[in-house]
Formats: sequence, structure tokens, C-alpha cells
Amino acid sequence: DGGITQSPKYLFRKEGQNVTLSCEQNLNHDAMYWYRQDPGQGLRLIYYSQIVNDFQKGDIAEGYSVSREKKESFPLTVTSAQKNPTAFYLCASSIELADTDTQYFGPGTRLTVL
Amino acid sequence: KQEVTQIPAALSVPEGENLVLNCSFTDSAIYNLQWFRQDPGKGLTSLLLIQSSQREQTSGRLNASLDKSSGRSTLYIAASQPGDSATYLCAVEQGGKLIFGQGTELSVKP
Repeated sequence: DGGITQSPKYLFRKEGQNVTLSCEQNLNHDAMYWYRQDPGQGLRLIYYSQIVNDFQKGDIAEGYSVSREKKESFPLTVTSAQKNPTAFYLCASSIELADTDTQYFGPGTRLTVL
Repeated sequence: KQEVTQIPAALSVPEGENLVLNCSFTDSAIYNLQWFRQDPGKGLTSLLLIQSSQREQTSGRLNASLDKSSGRSTLYIAASQPGDSATYLCAVEQGGKLIFGQGTELSVKP
């Protein structure tokens, strides 16, 4: 089956700790994205990557970091600098950047910081 | 800055009713508009995509319209079913990025 996987589904961390969310795709897509969703709100773009070893900040990148060492993987690290990290995080991919009509979403990771 | 707004935030209807969800955007310079469905705690599934040059798209019981000049889109759901219960999000593409509304949470009661 082709698709996007995110793990874990639920993640709990203590305040002040860094945490890394996993996103893997086997769709052979070049572009990958991370979004954040808060209750009653739409998705906001954190980071995106057009190709391996390249990534750009989205609208709310402060307190987050990413890497793109492999085409299939785009992990997101939520650092202690992120003021309010509790949220639902969604990863997505598309054939190429700006090809949003082929953007597929993963199942999401719910992060709770205690 | 593009802003996307969805009204209402929540909607509860009895099974079988036809309903309309609304989406408005402030900047008409969009490439396309999409409607997504999100089940609780899950990712997004694309329902309909309307290119900026199109006026509407249909898929089964769903019909989406786009009036770019007035900055509005509607999603019409015919003969609603309990399985339609979910959050519906609209998003516009601008500058290669998707900009989302906050969603309408739909509940269809049996």
C-alpha cells in the first residue's frame, strides 16, 4: 500500500523537552509538508521541503526544526522554544512543490505537553 | 494576506436533509479551491477541487461551487447521511501553498 505514515499517533512529553515526530511516505513524492492544527482552527504550515536536503519555513516555523536527508522521510522536531506545542500535527506530501491538487495527508500525531 | 473563513463553525441536521457549507476568502487571486473532509483525530481527505477557471465540481452527492470574484465557495451535500458526520475544511491555493479555513463540524443525526 502506498501512503503516508506518521508515528506515534499520540505523544506525551514534559515541558522543556524536545520531541521528534516521524513522517514517512512511499509515494515517491518530492515535496513534503508539516502542518499544525489547533481545536476549531484550520491547518497552518510549519515547514515544507521541495527536495532532499532542502526545506523552507512556513508561516509558524518558530520553535520547530526539520531535516530532509532522505526522500521518504521528513521528521519534525518540536523544541523547548515552542511556546505552546500541544496540538495535532499533520504531515503531507505531493508530487512536487505547489502541486497541491495531489497533496496527500498522513493520519496525524497528537502531541500533548504536560 | 489571504484569510479563509467558514460559516457555520458547527451544524447539526437530521438525516436526509440537504445542506450547504460556506467558505469565503479575502483575495480572489487563487489558483484553486479544495474541499476536504476530516474525521475525528484523522488526516484530511480531498473531496473536490475547483480550478480558478471553473465554476463548480460534482462528486456523487457533493457539489462545490466557486465564485472567485466575490470570494465565495459553497459545498452542497444532498440527502445527508450519518456517515457524512465529520469536519469539512476548505482551502485555497495561493503562491504554491494551501491556506485553510477553520472548518465546519457537521453532525447528521439518524
